[in-house]
Amino acid sequence: ILNVEQSPQSLHVQEGDSTNFTCSFPSSNFYALHWYRWETAKSPEALFVMTLNGDEKKKGRISATLNTKEGYSYLYIKGSQPEDSATYLCAFNNNAGNMLTFGGGTRLMVKP
Amino acid sequence: GAGVSQTPSNKVTEKGKYVELRCDPISGHTALYWYRQSLGQGPEFLIYFQGTGAADDSGLPNDRFFAVRPEGSVSTLKIQRTERGDSAVYLCASSLAGAGDEQFFGPGTRLTVL
Repeated sequence: ILNVEQSPQSLHVQEGDSTNFTCSFPSSNFYALHWYRWETAKSPEALFVMTLNGDEKKKGRISATLNTKEGYSYLYIKGSQPEDSATYLCAFNNNAGNMLTFGGGTRLMVKP
Repeated sequence: GAGVSQTPSNKVTEKGKYVELRCDPISGHTALYWYRQSLGQGPEFLIYFQGTGAADDSGLPNDRFFAVRPEGSVSTLKIQRTERGDSAVYLCASSLAGAGDEQFFGPGTRLTVL
């Protein structure tokens, strides 16, 4: 059983605050780490697919880093906006299969 | 282009009934996945198709669950003798070829078993 954990489970911030969350995953047999953003009643939206140790990726105000040797990834949001409110999921892909193993998600609420 | 679509968006049924959930993947995607998200948890893998065949069905919880993809495009997840514990959001995803490709998700079907 692959263990993927995310923290915190939920987070309330004020508009304009910067925030970050953590995803931890098995450090062996690593293939890829995915980040998704999921708003209620919508499809989960892919943010990043990360494959190389030390990867840093950025999309607008959102960025992510990857450490495959110690088995963690951070997602950062700079200057949070109310529209950033969503559940952020990370998912681990090992080299034994194609399916994703998800963490429990971090639910972010940004207050205006 | 069109994304992954799922129907129905919501399904309410009674314990013991049979349900079918449909997934239309992105055209040309050979890989199709079903996941289930129960309240307070992340999505959990159910089954993966490569073309018409189920390449990995290790996530199906028991033999009440079955899925098909007869023409390598649309897939149907079938649940017999539903139980209250089956209540969840059922997500479908597709990818171009599998093997770590980005997976594109549909909006899910929220199943409620009374």
